[in-house]
Amino acid sequence: GIQVEQSPPDLILQEGANSTLRCNFSDSVNNLQWFHQNPWGQLINLFYIPSGTKQNGRLSATTVATERYSLLYISSSQTTDSGVYFCAVPSGKMNRDDKIIFGKGTRLHILP
Amino acid sequence: EAGVTQSPTHLIKTRGQQATLRCSPISGHTSVYWYQQALGLGLQFLLWYDEGEERNRGNFPPRFSGRQFPNYSSELNVNALELEDSALYLCASSLRGVTQYFGPGTRLTVL
Repeated sequence: GIQVEQSPPDLILQEGANSTLRCNFSDSVNNLQWFHQNPWGQLINLFYIPSGTKQNGRLSATTVATERYSLLYISSSQTTDSGVYFCAVPSGKMNRDDKIIFGKGTRLHILP
Repeated sequence: EAGVTQSPTHLIKTRGQQATLRCSPISGHTSVYWYQQALGLGLQFLLWYDEGEERNRGNFPPRFSGRQFPNYSSELNVNALELEDSALYLCASSLRGVTQYFGPGTRLTVL
């Protein structure tokens, strides 16, 4: 099945720094999602981004589907950005994301 | 608009007991997904229900089962609980795929 790898596994930054998180996937996908899991376990959708670039405030994401990777950029980090960031892709070729495969996540810790 | 809700927030059981977890999707969403996040492990897909039927299942034993009701809410049942079933169980909903929205989770502790 499809493999999803995220890097780096852990990242510690000072407040105000910028960061880039990477997600590689082993097969072509027709959608990709980025999630933020806060310290209380809540998973929040950040982006649905099968291709191209999207921006939402200090966060942006780029997926290059032909090269099978996606990047999540966080600018001017704040302590509330701490948590684990997951990327996820569907396991099948269907347009529906029936079974989502998650990467192991990048644990981000922003120091005040 | 209310998001995905899950109950209970925390659940403590002993080995061999049964646990029932509940999920209410976002209004209008017909698909419900269950995931397990055990300590030190990533998010693992458990079950997908759509329009009342089980559509897909992850690599979990039959002790893990569930159902979806006519109002699209869902239950996850875990029978004969084992210590390693201790985990955060997340429910998500979607409307015909595209993107999944997650609930706050139920933290199950098996003693």
